[in-house]
Amino acid sequence: DAGVIQSPRHEVTEMGQEVTLRCKPISGHNSLFWYRQTMMRGLELLIYFNNNVPIDDSGMPEDRFSAKMPNASFSTLKIQPSEPRDSAVYFCASSLRTGGYEQYFGPGTRLTVT
Amino acid sequence: AQSVAQPEDQVNVAEGNPLTVKCTYSVSGNPYLFWYVQYPNRGLQFLLKYITGDNLVKGSYGFEAEFNKSQTSFHLKKPSALVSDSALYFCAVRDSSNDYKLSFGAGTTVTVRA
Repeated sequence: DAGVIQSPRHEVTEMGQEVTLRCKPISGHNSLFWYRQTMMRGLELLIYFNNNVPIDDSGMPEDRFSAKMPNASFSTLKIQPSEPRDSAVYFCASSLRTGGYEQYFGPGTRLTVT
Repeated sequence: AQSVAQPEDQVNVAEGNPLTVKCTYSVSGNPYLFWYVQYPNRGLQFLLKYITGDNLVKGSYGFEAEFNKSQTSFHLKKPSALVSDSALYFCAVRDSSNDYKLSFGAGTTVTVRA
């Protein structure tokens, strides 16, 4: 299996620009998560989808952040407008809702907003 | 509520020596416990999990972890560390009362010297 795929791996943008991060979960997984990792705050869950439906978006920082999952094999996280404090590594993870529900992470997107 | 603590920011060991990374947890129900490893510029990689059953769990790359309910601990161990084990290790917990939300520790940086 190819694992969770994320693109781009690195993104550098200027403040105020729109940023779109993409994720392809592991085939057959029905749960998808977006996380943000920073030195100060560690790993934060931003949003959780189950069967393409957003279940918990309480971790989304503010209205500038939005996420969609139009089908079982694709999800996007959009930041508009971006701010320097959004600089972080963004991870997508997927899991099956059986057994321990362990999550499998993608390689991440390192976002730098200048 | 659920939480996990990793009391050591850093662990340093010599190659060939035993490696232990500590983790304690707090949940209101039954714990589902996980260990992940993160190499530089990579996503989190699943190592092992405890759901139920035998308190000693074996995982990838020769790692194992011991669940201790009375001490609410789930320490990660490896009998003989390798230089390639140098990485950032995360413990995570999910309360049985919720079916998706993981709480991660702050992480422990392991350095194995040759």
